[in-house]
Amino acid sequence: GAGVSQSPSNKVTEKGKDVELRCDPISGHTALYWYRQSLGQGLEFLIYFQGNSAPDKSGLPSDRFSAERTGGSVSTLTIQRTQQEDSAVYLCASSLERLSNQPQHFGDGTRLSIL
Amino acid sequence: GNSVTQMEGPVTLSEEAFLTINCTYTATGYPSLFWYVQYPGEGLQLLLKATKADDKGSNKGFEATYRKETTSFHLEKGSVQVSDSAVYFCALSDNQGAQKLVFGQGTRLTINP
Repeated sequence: GAGVSQSPSNKVTEKGKDVELRCDPISGHTALYWYRQSLGQGLEFLIYFQGNSAPDKSGLPSDRFSAERTGGSVSTLTIQRTQQEDSAVYLCASSLERLSNQPQHFGDGTRLSIL
Repeated sequence: GNSVTQMEGPVTLSEEAFLTINCTYTATGYPSLFWYVQYPGEGLQLLLKATKADDKGSNKGFEATYRKETTSFHLEKGSVQVSDSAVYFCALSDNQGAQKLVFGQGTRLTINP
């Protein structure tokens, strides 16, 4: 079956604009994660969904960042009033369940560049 | 908090050389440990994992043993190939709450023919 799909693969936008990044997890995967990969900070956790709820949002760097998940499937990460430090690759991962023996499967990411 | 430290790269080796990439961790409780690999132009892929002390994960000729006494999970391969050139990430999950992954900074490996 299909893996984790993210869109767009690349996004270039001007500082101050809002952006939406989309993640389609593997069908049937209940757990969904967003991470950010940047030069200065490496790979960082942003937010975790179990079904449609987000019990762990501890990694969101500011209130400009928000995410939602609908139907227990697609998730959208929204960044409002983008800043240059938001430039990074945003990765989505899903797993069958929130258990250590269930690996997280990653998408190819969205490369976000803020001009 | 939890953290993972990897040896700094880049690492450059000749084909058929022995590879070790060091990884140590700090965590409360009993984390699960992972190695992920990112080949050029591709996404992160799980390479191997170990979920308890003394477990050995292995895949594609790579091995890593969960050493609780030294809090380490070093990646090894006896004979590397050009196709192993990639960025390797060590990671842990604390097996609590979200079970989010905490990653090391990554080690870029280049294998020359």
